[in-house]
Amino acid sequence: KNQVEQSPQSLIILEGKNCTLQCNYTVSPFSNLRWYKQDTGRGPVSLTIMTFSENTKSNGRYTATLDADTKQSSLHITASQLSDSASYICVVSLPLSGGYNKLIFGAGTRLAVHP
Amino acid sequence: DVKVTQSSRYLVKRTGEKVFLECVQDMDHENMFWYRQDPGLGLRLIYFSYDVKMKEKGDIPEGYSVSREKKERFSLILESASTNQTSMYLCASTAPRAGGYTFGSGTRLTVV
Repeated sequence: KNQVEQSPQSLIILEGKNCTLQCNYTVSPFSNLRWYKQDTGRGPVSLTIMTFSENTKSNGRYTATLDADTKQSSLHITASQLSDSASYICVVSLPLSGGYNKLIFGAGTRLAVHP
Repeated sequence: DVKVTQSSRYLVKRTGEKVFLECVQDMDHENMFWYRQDPGLGLRLIYFSYDVKMKEKGDIPEGYSVSREKKERFSLILESASTNQTSMYLCASTAPRAGGYTFGSGTRLTVV
């Protein structure tokens, strides 16, 4: 079964600290893996997207890693800010016929950054 | 800046009402999607459309229908709203084979 599991479910850190969020998936084959940030009451916004041949991708203080052999990805946030408080969603693309993809979503990690 | 606009941020409807959720994108994208998001669950695909007047069922289409009369507009219809359809509804669009999906801000629907 194609699934995406994220851990932890929720996390509280102090402002300025680093943190790492985990994503394990069983989707096979897969086209790419994405990390989204979703602020409360808003739609998800893309942070990074990696194909199976990439093992790291950065976007400012966000760095995503991918190990396609173990089917694991992580999102590392450096020097956290209060505005990083959000849900972070890992999404894996399952290729379908005709060149289309189906997105398989994790349930997300809810991060709270406290002053 | 590309946009996916959902017409309502919050809606409260009564059980049995017919509910329309509207989504408009200004990127000339062929592909549009409707998802629902519930606590502890990942986004689940309700319906999608790859072209005007074309629609395909997603993973949880029961109780929903869709309409795509124009390329930029994709409507989700709850024929007879029920309390278990209380949820956050998200619309998204993308060009074929493109990497990025753009999501709307969501509509939080409460059925009482």
